Amino acid sequence: EGQLLESGGGLIQPGGSLRLSCEASGFTFGTYAMSWVRQAPGKGLEWVSAVSGRGRSTYYADSVRGRFTISRDNSGSRLFLQMNSLKAEDTAVYYCAKDDGDYVSGTGGYFDSWGQGTLVTVSS
Amino acid sequence: DIQMTQSPSTLSASVGDTVTITCRASQSISSWLAWYQQKPGKAPKLLIYKASTLETGVPSRFSGSESGTEFTLTITSLQPEDFATYFCQQYNKYSSLTFGGGTKVEI
Repeated sequence: EGQLLESGGGLIQPGGSLRLSCEASGFTFGTYAMSWVRQAPGKGLEWVSAVSGRGRSTYYADSVRGRFTISRDNSGSRLFLQMNSLKAEDTAVYYCAKDDGDYVSGTGGYFDSWGQGTLVTVSS
Repeated sequence: DIQMTQSPSTLSASVGDTVTITCRASQSISSWLAWYQQKPGKAPKLLIYKASTLETGVPSRFSGSESGTEFTLTITSLQPEDFATYFCQQYNKYSSLTFGGGTKVEI
């Protein structure tokens, strides 16, 4: 089972940018797709973005497409989420989540390891 | 996008009860459904994948089933540590993963 540790959250003004990081350990990082999932205060879970194991394929929720960019550094076992043009509705705890497989190989799609989350608050 | 409608949103139960949570998909997702448990202030934990396969280490009192586009999570002999919020998630279409709205199981 993997371990995931997010960082980079904080208070940011609307229109601002923030970069989240997720440090992974305990598994062969580049073998698995990774995702970001967020949870607004008192609300449910919302998938945000995914990246394939090699980083060549990415997917985004409609709510963030064009504003957020997911990437990964397999040599350093890190996942990133660059968030631009932030809005109040982006306020949430952002979780880094490990896929059980890699969708480009037809496996996985659900998350067997999660980080503890990092809080992003967008407010003036 | 595939919509996942989860019910009920809140469920009151007692220790020892059997509880059932339902998730209905807006279209066919085959068996590509997972269930998670989340406790306050904690990350979600995978319980079941592929509709009915129990994740390693998850107690056997948790089970999943499916009938068409309706999926069910059943917890038999509810334990104190099972009071939590449960979410379903479809992964039929990887470009648009979606979760159900959640079910809070409370005393």
